[in-house]
Amino acid sequence: QKEVEQNSGPLSVPEGAIASLNCTYSDRGSQSFFWYRQYSGKSPELIMFIYSNGDKEDGRFTAQLNKASQYVSLLIRDSQPSDSATYLCAVRVGGSNYKLTFGKGTLLTVNP
Amino acid sequence: EAQVTQNPRYLITVTGKKLTVTCSQNMNHEYMSWYRQDPGLGLRQIYYSMNVEVTDKGDVPEGYKVSRKEKRNFPLILESPSPNQTSLYFCASSLLTGIYSTEAFFGQGTRLTVV
Repeated sequence: QKEVEQNSGPLSVPEGAIASLNCTYSDRGSQSFFWYRQYSGKSPELIMFIYSNGDKEDGRFTAQLNKASQYVSLLIRDSQPSDSATYLCAVRVGGSNYKLTFGKGTLLTVNP
Repeated sequence: EAQVTQNPRYLITVTGKKLTVTCSQNMNHEYMSWYRQDPGLGLRQIYYSMNVEVTDKGDVPEGYKVSRKEKRNFPLILESPSPNQTSLYFCASSLLTGIYSTEAFFGQGTRLTVV
């Protein structure tokens, strides 16, 4: 059973702080990792992807991957109230199976 | 504008009455998929399609059917809906297939209630 685990939160941070969102996965064959943002009542929106160990930065967002420890994280620097949303981690396993497994998401609240 | 369009956005129906939720994308994407999202359970894949006439089951396919006769359309069919299919449904598409691809575009969602 492939599993992707996230702390459901809510994670509450003050405006301007760094928000750290974590995700662990069970299948060591996982090869690609994605972060989505979902505002309440809206559809998921792809914000980051990472394939290799290390950090990947895009604006205020940094994705971090550690395959040995089987975790992937998303850092949001200078958090804004508009970042308040549920963040979904998704993992794709190698092989002919094209299914993407999502975590249940972490609710982030950024307080002004 | 690149988009995935689902219809209807909201639907209330009765148990056993066949229904179809349509999904259309205007990006010439090969890959399309359907998900349902339930509180506490997250997003779960129902079916996916790698291309025209190529479909396969996701994690929760029971009670659903799909077809892919044209590249742009991927309807979700509930032959005999039951209350446990009450959920928020999303259609998604992607240009690429393979290990490094992902669901790049999601439709607006269809909130289905089966009474």
